Amino acid sequence: QVQLQESGPGLVEPSETLSLTCTVSGASIKPYYWSWIRQPPGKGLEWIGNLYNSGSSNYNPSLKSRLTISVDLSKNQFSLKLTSVTAADTALYYCAKVAAYGSETYAMDVWGQGTTVTVSS
Amino acid sequence: EIVLTQSPGTLSLSPGERATLSCRASQSVTRSLAWYQQKPGQAPRLLVYGASSRATGTPDRFSGSGSGTDFTLTISRLEPEDFAVYYCQQCSGSPRCTFGQGTKLEIK
Repeated sequence: QVQLQESGPGLVEPSETLSLTCTVSGASIKPYYWSWIRQPPGKGLEWIGNLYNSGSSNYNPSLKSRLTISVDLSKNQFSLKLTSVTAADTALYYCAKVAAYGSETYAMDVWGQGTTVTVSS
Repeated sequence: EIVLTQSPGTLSLSPGERATLSCRASQSVTRSLAWYQQKPGQAPRLLVYGASSRATGTPDRFSGSGSGTDFTLTISRLEPEDFAVYYCQQCSGSPRCTFGQGTKLEIK
């Protein structure tokens, strides 16, 4: 059974870099796609970006200039770095496994429990 | 970027009733559409993928339909545990993904 666990600082100062890690257990990270999603307090879900088994990634255009998603195969982890954060980046951050069902059909079938990040001085 | 618009924003129904939730895409996503359920304090849970395929563990009272730009999630007979927020999502291209803004299904 695949399980995901997000980790990272719960508080980040404005203009600093937000760094989160997702640790995958129960499966190798290599064959699959992985995703980061966030949810501001009281609001809906926002896709942040995807990571592919080759280490390449795809980002939300609204975050692309500040965002890096990377993988550490040796630790079975993938990470998110978001630079120059503001209060608007305050959210519950989730990592998820992306299942590919064929013919460009994808869905996020396993989610972590989420980690809250607050941007404040 | 493909925009997903869900309607209604809030749906008030009673247990035992039928719920119909809509999701419209700004351009065709063929059948690459998923539905998620989120309860307070929980991560979203995948209900339906590929527009109409139920995910493992999804009760058969949940059914998805549609293709192209118009999609529907139907709950045939509401159970108390079904009252939650529902999101549609598309992932296309490389893939790049977007979510709808959500429909809150509340007890009337």
